[in-house]
Amino acid sequence: SQQGEEDPQALSIQEGENATMNCSYKTSINNLQWYRQNSGRGLVHLILIRSNEREKHSGRLRVTLDTSKKSSSLLITASRAADTASYFCATDRYGNNRLAFGKGNQVVVIP
Amino acid sequence: SAVISQKPSRDICQRGTSLTIQCQVDSQVTMMFWYRQQPGQSLTLIATANQGSEATYESGFVIDKFPISRPNLTFSTLTVSNMSPEDSSIYLCSVRGSSGNTIYFGEGSWLTVV
Repeated sequence: SQQGEEDPQALSIQEGENATMNCSYKTSINNLQWYRQNSGRGLVHLILIRSNEREKHSGRLRVTLDTSKKSSSLLITASRAADTASYFCATDRYGNNRLAFGKGNQVVVIP
Repeated sequence: SAVISQKPSRDICQRGTSLTIQCQVDSQVTMMFWYRQQPGQSLTLIATANQGSEATYESGFVIDKFPISRPNLTFSTLTVSNMSPEDSSIYLCSVRGSSGNTIYFGEGSWLTVV
């Protein structure tokens, strides 16, 4: 079954601002992964966070995971026009690498 | 990370025909998967491509419609059979990286059925 559902936001921000998007899911998970997709092309892997981790950073990206609330957030700091994309979270429920994707968030960064 | 190449990147197909999509990885990988992304939608897992045995399909997907081959640890194909306009989608190949559980994706094959 599919799980991993972001609030399907369309976020429009000014360059330099921070962008935050959320993801909620319904069952226990082994890990959660965030991806970026530009204009219907392939997915770029951003961050993997394991169920026993609460926060991870990668460059301007910060991901949090709250397993008690079954939710995750992705923060992009100091956004750039090149960050304009769709962002997806995906959950791996059993650690068997079969991912269930959320609906995605569209982020537009205005120069 | 793994470098994943898909062919074709884009195609326009006639209703009722079949098309085979190829996925080539630059290193041996144990796990390969095929996903579908319908227009404006999120991704849905079609199947796990198993090397040396039949693919494992997710609910709602069947072998007759989406036959998959995986002859070795670097290559897989997905065929979309007897296509209808509803099959117009991006089809993406993905693999598990060599360490951990990170899943990497190819650039996708964008099929339009007319």
